[in-house]
Amino acid sequence: DADVTQTPRNRITKTGKRIMLECSQTKGHDRMYWYRQDPGLGLRLIYYSFDVKDINKGEISDGYSVSRQAQAKFSLSLESAIPNQTALYFCATSEPAGEQYFGPGTRLTVT
Amino acid sequence: GENVEQHPSTLSVQEGDSAVIKCTYSDSASNYFPWYKQELGKRPQLIIDIRSNVGEKKDQRIAVTLNKTAKHFSLHITETQPEDSAVYFCAASGSTGFQKLVFGTGTRLLVSP
Repeated sequence: DADVTQTPRNRITKTGKRIMLECSQTKGHDRMYWYRQDPGLGLRLIYYSFDVKDINKGEISDGYSVSRQAQAKFSLSLESAIPNQTALYFCATSEPAGEQYFGPGTRLTVT
Repeated sequence: GENVEQHPSTLSVQEGDSAVIKCTYSDSASNYFPWYKQELGKRPQLIIDIRSNVGEKKDQRIAVTLNKTAKHFSLHITETQPEDSAVYFCAASGSTGFQKLVFGTGTRLLVSP
């Protein structure tokens, strides 16, 4: 679904580096989310935003920060990447009472 | 907070058989229960959802049942086909917000021809 895009799609970085993952959507949704997917652990919520001025921590926010630059853009930053942040990261969007639409994912490897 | 447990972690069936995946949740205030399908290398996509005011919902070969008293819900796939092979995730909304989802750990379904 081209309506939710993520950049980059793949990234390899070194321990200690700052990394930003970007998400853009053309669905016009106010709500945006960042998830992390690890094998056997499912999808875990990192941060979520219900509008441009509303940012909330999810269940695993330590080591991450976010920025909601506009309704359509929501960025996730790893201030100082560590190997256990190696994972598949998904952005998602939704309307207040509707399904969540996921982006294609960003595979991040921290060496 | 909400906790969602999902079983089994893997499920192998023959084409044409039925498949059932079960989830339990902890927060009695949860009121929205979606199921997502994730094919290999793809993004999760919603296949069916149910809200707390109904006990069952069907969409062709897929159905979801909800037992609020027992705090569990299940996905039923009938007449399975090889293209049903994927990882399936259940989720629950939790009491903190309708769209703040807590996901189960996933079930890998393999349908053999």
